[in-house]
Amino acid sequence: DGGITQSPKYLFRKEGQNVTLSCEQNLNHDAMYWYRQDPGQGLRLIYYSQIVNDFQKGDIAEGYSVSREKKESFPLTVTSAQKNPTAFYLCASQDTSNQPQHFGDGTRLSIL
Amino acid sequence: GENVEQHPSTLSVQEGDSAVIKCTYSDSASNYFPWYKQELGKRPQLIIDIRSNVGEKKDQRIAVTLNKTAKHFSLHITETQPEDSAVYFCAACSNFGNEKLTFGTGTRLTIIP
Repeated sequence: DGGITQSPKYLFRKEGQNVTLSCEQNLNHDAMYWYRQDPGQGLRLIYYSQIVNDFQKGDIAEGYSVSREKKESFPLTVTSAQKNPTAFYLCASQDTSNQPQHFGDGTRLSIL
Repeated sequence: GENVEQHPSTLSVQEGDSAVIKCTYSDSASNYFPWYKQELGKRPQLIIDIRSNVGEKKDQRIAVTLNKTAKHFSLHITETQPEDSAVYFCAACSNFGNEKLTFGTGTRLTIIP
């Protein structure tokens, strides 16, 4: 899915630091999603947005924040309140309901 | 909310044999069920999906069946090949007010040459 770009590919966070993961899509999709993937646990929804300037908490939103100022961009901030941030973060976008979600290549976040 | 259970967590099959992965869901309002394949360190990629108005869908060696009454759906891979080795995720979605996908915990499929 070349239409969804996540950056950086690898990210390291220091104690007490906030970090922001980028997700950009040029598919003109309305909905965008952030998932966290831990080994053996599948994908868990952090936040999602179905329209610009609106977003909803997912199942594990604590310690994370998002914004949706533009249709094509949905950055995720991992705050210092997230005590166990080490994971693989995946961004996805979707055209309309009951259409497939398309994923980016992911960002692997680790603690220094 | 929706809960999706996936079994087995690991599966090894001889090359050329068939593989079956099963998922159950809890929300009877769910009406869209995609399957994703994820190779190590890469993004999940959609391999097949099914909607609740259909009982079965097939695409070459891959098929998905859906039993709405029992609330379960299954992925069938026939004539397995080494490149089928990956982690497979099922998911369920209800579009009542939101389009959240709830994922199963994944099945690591290994094809033995």
